[in-house]
Amino acid sequence: AQTVTQSQPEMSVQEAETVTLSCTYDTSESDYYLFWYKQPPSRQMILVIRQEAYKQQNATENRFSVNFQKAAKSFSLKISDSQLGDAAMYFCAYRSAYSGNTPLVFGKGTRLSVIA
Amino acid sequence: EPEVTQTPSHQVTQMGQEVILRCVPISNHLYFYWYRQILGQKVEFLVSFYNNEISEKSEIFDDQFSVERPDGSNFTLKIRSTKLEDSAMYFCATSTDPTDTQYFGPGTRLTVL
Repeated sequence: AQTVTQSQPEMSVQEAETVTLSCTYDTSESDYYLFWYKQPPSRQMILVIRQEAYKQQNATENRFSVNFQKAAKSFSLKISDSQLGDAAMYFCAYRSAYSGNTPLVFGKGTRLSVIA
Repeated sequence: EPEVTQTPSHQVTQMGQEVILRCVPISNHLYFYWYRQILGQKVEFLVSFYNNEISEKSEIFDDQFSVERPDGSNFTLKIRSTKLEDSAMYFCATSTDPTDTQYFGPGTRLTVL
């Protein structure tokens, strides 16, 4: 079974600075998807960014970008120009591409604080 | 922008009672999921559903749980006899196809007393 590990339970960053959240995963599959979801205090799960494993290019969404290292099974999230609204729990998630209606496998999350 | 909606936002129930959590998927989405998150813990998969059938379920999804799409729009999760340990946030997620991103609803906070 696949597992996702987020080794940083908590991180903090100064407003306008850059922060990187780590995620590693374990899988024997070669085709899969990786995601970062944000969970603010409202507890809604909001998609931040998505990466297809077959794509070598790292995904970017405005201030959010990933460093996807397939051989190392690493998928870190970089947040540039951090804003107070970025404060939230961030979950890394894995999804197999092989069988039909496969679920997301989540890490335990990293709580990000943004300091004004 | 279309959203997944869930009702109620908060449900308080007595142990042993039945609860039904409701989800309205985004209109063109055909793949449905339930996840739960016990406070302070990670999000865990419960069940996936497509074409009026369960596609996959986790070991958490035992005989006390059931899902259905009763009217072609709502997607429901029923817990027949709630236990204290069922207290959690329950999220519905939907997608257009198995490879697409899953979009989450705002969740239902279930408190079992």
